Amino acid sequence: NAGVTQTPKFQVLKTGQSMTLQCAQDMNHEYMSWYRQDPGMGLRLIHYSVGAGITDQGEVPNGYNVSRSTTEDFPLRLLSAAPSQTSVYFCASSPLLPGSHNSPLHFGNGTRLTVT
Amino acid sequence: AQSVTQLGSHVSVSEGALVLLRCNYSSSVPPYLFWYVQYPNQGLQLLLKYTSAATLVKGINGFEAEFKKSETSFHLTKPSAHMSDAAEYFCAVSGSGSARQLTFGSGTQLTVLP
Repeated sequence: NAGVTQTPKFQVLKTGQSMTLQCAQDMNHEYMSWYRQDPGMGLRLIHYSVGAGITDQGEVPNGYNVSRSTTEDFPLRLLSAAPSQTSVYFCASSPLLPGSHNSPLHFGNGTRLTVT
Repeated sequence: AQSVTQLGSHVSVSEGALVLLRCNYSSSVPPYLFWYVQYPNQGLQLLLKYTSAATLVKGINGFEAEFKKSETSFHLTKPSAHMSDAAEYFCAVSGSGSARQLTFGSGTQLTVLP
């Protein structure tokens, strides 16, 4: 009964380094997404996917890449980390688009990233 | 485009007192509205949702919210606060058509005082 699993829980990067945040769900959800959470700004959508092989940009996509080769996995790649990317990152999934009836978002527990 | 405004980034109430967290939305189409709760070091969990059925929506843990179209509001209430209600609460509104993404408010941190 894992739900949405994110790894790692914590990460410290130096400016310019790259890394991948992992996200996996075991609920066979078609929709997956990445949000970043910053104090006083709520959650902002980075990228999302409506199914394997399909991805699209959200509100704040710059500096991030995603791919969706399987239904279960949706990794988020930071190409060249910057201090402005210090944040808490959440992966979320839902059966259909999250605004649809009976399709609530299920969230992972987050990855806390610090870029120095 | 849709947007959400949560009035008050921090709200403190005494245990047993009424909880009122305010949310106003802007949407060009009839919206779907949601309240999520985030406990420390966890992801968000759905509290309740409005999807154009009853205007008074009941959620988990004794919370409810009323959709008022004339006031473009979806305030969250609970008659009697419990210490375990201390958390951050987010209001969210959905988009329309094929891009039914959620737009979140900036959140309200609820503190419950003994």
